[in-house]
Formats: sequence, C-alpha cells, structure tokens
Amino acid sequence: AQSVAQPEDQVNVAEGNPLTVKCTYSVSGNPYLFWYVQYPNRGLQFLLKYITGDNLVKGSYGFEAEFNKSQTSFHLKKPSALVSDSALYFCAVRLWIYNQGGKLIFGQGTELSVKP
Amino acid sequence: NAGVTQTPKFQVLKTGQSMTLQCAQDMNHEYMSWYRQDPGMGLRLIHYSVGAGITDQGEVPNGYNVSRSTTEDFPLRLLSAAPSQTSVYFCASSPESGWNSPLHFGNGTRLTVT
Repeated sequence: AQSVAQPEDQVNVAEGNPLTVKCTYSVSGNPYLFWYVQYPNRGLQFLLKYITGDNLVKGSYGFEAEFNKSQTSFHLKKPSALVSDSALYFCAVRLWIYNQGGKLIFGQGTELSVKP
Repeated sequence: NAGVTQTPKFQVLKTGQSMTLQCAQDMNHEYMSWYRQDPGMGLRLIHYSVGAGITDQGEVPNGYNVSRSTTEDFPLRLLSAAPSQTSVYFCASSPESGWNSPLHFGNGTRLTVT
C-alpha cells in the first residue's frame, strides 16, 4: 500500500544543535514529497518539496531535506535549531491515481521541541 | 490577500445535528480539498475537487458530503453529526492537482460533537 510514515512522535533538540525529523515513504513511481509545518491553532504552511533533480532540497526558514531513493526517505534537517522552530511537522507524498488525479497524503506528524 | 478562509472557527454540535463548514479561496485555484486532523493520525483526506462541478472521495468520506458549484467555494456538509466526527477540519487549495505547487491551508474549524 502507498503510504508515508514519520517514525518519531516527538523530537527534542537543544537550541543551536542540528535537528533531523525523519520521513519514509512507499509509493508507486517517482515520488513527489513535501514538508509542512504547523504552529499552534494555525493551518499548515509549506516548507519545501522534492519533485526531481538534486537530492538536497532547500526550503523556508533555513530548513532543508535530503531525498534518498534507496532508503525511500526524505528527512528534514536544519544545521542550527531555534526555539521558534518548535512546532508540528508533517511529511506528505503525492499519490497519482489513474483517472482520479493526484491526492496528497500526510504522515502522522512529529512534534519538534527546541529548548533554550 | 485572504487566501483560504474557513468559517466558523469553532462549532459545538449535538449528535444528529447537521451543519456546513464553509471554505472559500480567492486565488482562483482549481484544486480544493478537506482534511481532518486527529491526534496521532496526522491529516486524513475527506473529499477533494479538481475543478468546479467535480468532486471525489478521499480516505475517510463517510458521513460527509461536498459540492463545488464555483471555483471559489467548497463547503463540507455533515449530514448527521456523530461524536467520532469531533476533530479539527482543514480546507486546502492548490493551483492544480499535478502537485508542482504546494497546498495552501485555511486556519481550521474546531468541531466538537457531544
């Protein structure tokens, strides 16, 4: 079955340290992969996407993600975490269904907590 | 820029009541969708639309109806509310369903069914 998974419910990082939020996927064909962030009481905001090309994708707020086809992963990274990065992060993958177009499905989310 | 506007922000219903969650976007986006967000389950797709007059079911469509009479509006109707429908509902839109462009989300409607 086609799916996307975030294996960690919560990630705790000290401010200034690098952070990684993990995502793995299982889809047919070439994956379209996305990361979104959700701050409290708000909708999701787009961070970055991988469609094709370089495996390292740069996005908003200093975040980047590395696409690894052999490991079917798309981990979100940031070299130096800020307290303001604390939020809920979602990985998403496009499913392309013949005659139905595209659907975007989301992982279960990872709560990132950055402590001073 | 209004973007995606959802109303109401909060709603409490009794079991069996019906209501409509409103969603409007002013970006001329063809693709619109409804998700529900529940703790530990991420966002699950309820219904989506690739253009006016076209709708289709997502992962969890039961208990919900949608229509798309205009490009701008995509209301979600709960026909007979159940406690299992207590959730936060998000409407999202995109210029097209090819996914070269990201989804734009509203700020959500928090629904409680008692």
